[in-house]
Amino acid sequence: EAGVAQSPRYKIIEKRQSVAFWCNPISGHATLYWYQQILGQGPKLLIQFQNNGVVDDSQLPKDRFSAERLKGVDSTLKIQPAKLEDSAVYLCASGTGIDPEAFFGQGTRLTVV
Amino acid sequence: QQQVKQSPQSLIVQKGGISIINCAYENTAFDYFPWYQQFPGKGPALLIAIRPDVSEKKEGRFTISFNKSAKQFSLHIMDSQPGDSATYFCVGGAQKLVFGQGTRLTINP
Repeated sequence: EAGVAQSPRYKIIEKRQSVAFWCNPISGHATLYWYQQILGQGPKLLIQFQNNGVVDDSQLPKDRFSAERLKGVDSTLKIQPAKLEDSAVYLCASGTGIDPEAFFGQGTRLTVV
Repeated sequence: QQQVKQSPQSLIVQKGGISIINCAYENTAFDYFPWYQQFPGKGPALLIAIRPDVSEKKEGRFTISFNKSAKQFSLHIMDSQPGDSATYFCVGGAQKLVFGQGTRLTINP
């Protein structure tokens, strides 16, 4: 079974630029999550989708972050404009939606300079 | 109310020893308590999980002990090996997963 795929693996941008991350979840998984992991901290949920509907985006900074999940499969997370404090690893995870287990991708390491 | 507090932040154990990581939670709506293991450059991976209706779950060298009344749970790694060196996260789960801050575990050979 293929795992959660994320791209790119690394991205360096200047502050005020925009950036987008892509995630392809495990086939058949209804739930998709985007987490932000700042160095030395635990992952923090940004947004949770069930199929293509948003379940929880309470911690998503909506003035600069946006996410979509087209056709209930792939998802993109966008930051515009980026700030220095957005430097982090962005993790995508998916789950069946039946049990709570989440399977994580390798993440995208973003550095904002 | 959403917090999961984890200790210690870092832990060094000799090979063959027992590693113990503790967690406390506040949200009584949590009904799923997994531990995730993360190696550098990788995403977290589920290690072992427990539901609040049992007090202990063992899988190989890994055991979760759960105390519902104290709102605490812990991970015990028996016969710790250098390959266990990683960061461990305790998690409280309900509609979403809330991660602790992590414990960096180092097993010295």
